[in-house]
Amino acid sequence: GAGVSQTPSNKVTEKGKYVELRCDPISGHTALYWYRQSLGQGPEFLIYFQGTGAADDSGLPNDRFFAVRPEGSVSTLKIQRTERGDSAVYLCASSLWGGQGDTQYFGPGTRLTVL
Amino acid sequence: AQKITQTQPGMFVQEKEAVTLDCTYDTSDPSYGLFWYKQPSSGEMIFLIYQGSYDQQNATEGRYSLNFQKARKSANLVISASQLGDSAMYFCAMRNMYSGGGADGLTFGKGTHLIIQP
Repeated sequence: GAGVSQTPSNKVTEKGKYVELRCDPISGHTALYWYRQSLGQGPEFLIYFQGTGAADDSGLPNDRFFAVRPEGSVSTLKIQRTERGDSAVYLCASSLWGGQGDTQYFGPGTRLTVL
Repeated sequence: AQKITQTQPGMFVQEKEAVTLDCTYDTSDPSYGLFWYKQPSSGEMIFLIYQGSYDQQNATEGRYSLNFQKARKSANLVISASQLGDSAMYFCAMRNMYSGGGADGLTFGKGTHLIIQP
């Protein structure tokens, strides 16, 4: 079946602009995660959705970052007033039920470049 | 808070040799899961293997096995009979049982860049 998909694959924007990154999880997966991966680092957790609700948003760096999952499937990560330090690859993952041992399957990522 | 340490930034291995990638972890929670992911140059994170903290047996998946030493808090990945296609970044990650405070996400190490030489 289809894996996790993310759009766009690349996004170039100017400092101060607003961007939206989309994630389409594996069908039937109730849990969805966003991570950010900077160059030469492992991914860092941003936010976790269980169904439509954000169960854990403690990884969001500040209030410029916001994510939604209104119907419990597709999720959008929104970044306001982008800064050059936001440049990174944003990864989305989904898992079947969100438990500790539940495997998270990752999408190909969106590479965000803020000029 | 949990922490993953991968002490090998890069490794060169001859094709067909076995390779061990080191991972140590730190957590105060008694229940946790350990994962290994492969990230080729294309960028996608590929799940390789999982080990639960209460699992009695070391996990195996094809050519991958996890050498889990709970007392030492280590979870090394062993790849047998390495192939050229194994060249990639490898990340060790963990997740605790308890929710909230970032525990719902995976905590990753910095990764090991493995290069298989012909």
